[in-house]
Amino acid sequence: DIQLTQSPSSMSASLGDRVSLTCQSSQGIGNYLSWYQHKPGKPPKPMIYYATNLADGVPSRFSGSRSGSDYSLTISSLESEDTAIYYCLQYDEYPYTFGAGTKLELK
Amino acid sequence: QVQMKETGPGLVQTTQTLSVTCTVSGFSLTSYGVHWVRQAPGKGLEWMGIIWGDGSTNYNSALKSRLSISRDTSKSQVFLTMNSLQTDDTAVYYCARNWDYFDYWGQGVMVTVSS
Repeated sequence: DIQLTQSPSSMSASLGDRVSLTCQSSQGIGNYLSWYQHKPGKPPKPMIYYATNLADGVPSRFSGSRSGSDYSLTISSLESEDTAIYYCLQYDEYPYTFGAGTKLELK
Repeated sequence: QVQMKETGPGLVQTTQTLSVTCTVSGFSLTSYGVHWVRQAPGKGLEWMGIIWGDGSTNYNSALKSRLSISRDTSKSQVFLTMNSLQTDDTAVYYCARNWDYFDYWGQGVMVTVSS
């Protein structure tokens, strides 16, 4: 199975900070990677698909990028509503696999 | 608009069989695939499987021997069935629509497996 390693596992940042979360794939998955924001008691919310495309309704402060097998989710200016756990998902090969998540908190 | 809702038994005994239903509206099951994803308490997300618009299925190999996904297109329902339950199957079970990504999700249903 493809392993996705997310780093850091948790982090805290201040309002207005630029934040980058990373997801590294154990093998090539092309651009078949998406990002989800998950808050307690709610379903995951799609943020990015095909590595760099913004999902419908997602604020433009979010962006996705790829460098080889490393994928990043960047928030250009952190807002309080962005605190959540963020998961990456590869959908290049079965079984689809999620990373372990990055918990993002406010400092 | 697109809506998805999971319903399930809440509490199931170990070794029994779990049945969870995902009822959808706003789209056709023959045009979109539907995934099942679960999250155990304090754990991350786990992809379980998908039923595609043509009715074919793919499963997580870790669950494949115990898992079945089926549907009733006339009722706009997708069914998850999993046998030989253990306490570590306790989780919130979600269904999600497949597009270029998992674009719509149900609210999830909590299932507790108890001995």
